[in-house]
Amino acid sequence: GAVVSQHPSWVICKSGTSVKIECRSLDFQATTMFWYRQFPKQSLMLMATSNEGSKATYEQGVEKDKFLINHASLTLSTLTVTSAHPEDSSFYICSASRLGQIRIDTQYFGPGTRLTVL
Amino acid sequence: GENVEQHPSTLSVQEGDSAVIKCTYSDSASNYFPWYKQELGKGPQLIIDIRSNVGEKKDQRIAVTLNKTAKHFSLHITETQPEDSAVYFCAALLDDRGSTLGRLYFGRGTQLTVWP
Repeated sequence: GAVVSQHPSWVICKSGTSVKIECRSLDFQATTMFWYRQFPKQSLMLMATSNEGSKATYEQGVEKDKFLINHASLTLSTLTVTSAHPEDSSFYICSASRLGQIRIDTQYFGPGTRLTVL
Repeated sequence: GENVEQHPSTLSVQEGDSAVIKCTYSDSASNYFPWYKQELGKGPQLIIDIRSNVGEKKDQRIAVTLNKTAKHFSLHITETQPEDSAVYFCAALLDDRGSTLGRLYFGRGTQLTVWP
């Protein structure tokens, strides 16, 4: 159990276009989903936290108008990179926490999406 | 916020030997400490976690220890195998968001290489 999927697994786009990445919890309902980005040989950097039905909370320095997050249901969150530029090229990873009563709950990660902007 | 330090950044061991990765955290309010294994081009996979009310936890060849007083926790892998080769991340969860879930703070990762 606790499987998280991402689609697409990789995407190449031209500069100036927008790209949407989907994150799904396949066998559980996720109260909260998180979006991270990871540069080569570096750790995970939290971009934003999203709760179903409410606006995402963005980390300091992350442009909310550039990285649009929609958490429409308990099993789906999307990240849209708008007007992508080469510096947005990165590995984007989502994670999800189960719906439950306790506040401390495990995060399960998706397989990641490799974005390359030409 | 929280600051998680992880050492070493790289670790090479011979197959069958043990590997130990250590992490320290700064905020005593952190109360959940997961370890993730990340293979090249893949997302992190949870391998073991420990909560602040427990000092040690073991799962087959993997164990984690937590010293709350010293604010450090360690990952121990025994009888290492080549397939254990990956990047390992420690993390600490700081419950600093009031009514919502706390956030994870990650260490910088340890590249473990197990030589056959």
